Amino acid sequence: DSGVTQTPKHLITATGQRVTLRCSPRSGDLSVYWYQQSLDQGLQFLIQYYNGEERAKGNILERFSAQQFPDLHSELNLSSLELGDSALYFCASSVTPVRNYGYTFGSGTRLTVV
Amino acid sequence: TQLLEQSPQFLSIQEGENLTVYCNSSSVFSSLQWYRQEPGEGPVLLVTVVTGGEVKKLKRLTFQFGDARKDSSLHITAAQPGDTGLYLCAGDSGNQFYFGTGTSLTVIP
Repeated sequence: DSGVTQTPKHLITATGQRVTLRCSPRSGDLSVYWYQQSLDQGLQFLIQYYNGEERAKGNILERFSAQQFPDLHSELNLSSLELGDSALYFCASSVTPVRNYGYTFGSGTRLTVV
Repeated sequence: TQLLEQSPQFLSIQEGENLTVYCNSSSVFSSLQWYRQEPGEGPVLLVTVVTGGEVKKLKRLTFQFGDARKDSSLHITAAQPGDTGLYLCAGDSGNQFYFGTGTSLTVIP
């Protein structure tokens, strides 16, 4: 157990729908990152929050949004889902907002869009 | 275009053999990290290297950061089935953080 909790573990939904993925960071970590992993694209950085504020943005689609709450948990909202959004979505956390000291990853949410 | 290219992409070896995985870029990185990911799980951080030329050892794993900080290698001695997984390098360059393309290692008992 890495200490980063992601729910749900699996999610199957239809095209056009909206889903919310949830992440609780490791105790004491203030920074949360969201990543998408697919077979053809590898691990792609989506967005980072630090202590409730957006810190950095990567290749996140406009249909996707995220937020970090006062208790530091984070949610990733995916809307108007397309087949190509099927992937593993990982949350990671770290103590500092600096990314080059390493993250702790959760076990991921496997999203299947049918 | 991937900023961090790893080679080989796939590697299948017998238990007890040695192997090296490479992570290359044309860009300079302030530091590089190596992760191992097992099926159905998130990547787990193995090591961070920050100084050009740095060598770090973690039991049977040896990590090296290139002198110019553009490349890194991971050498595994006497591989074991428990080493099986996807190995990913990652690092910061130009204020962006990138993950490599990954090397999928299978160690056959």
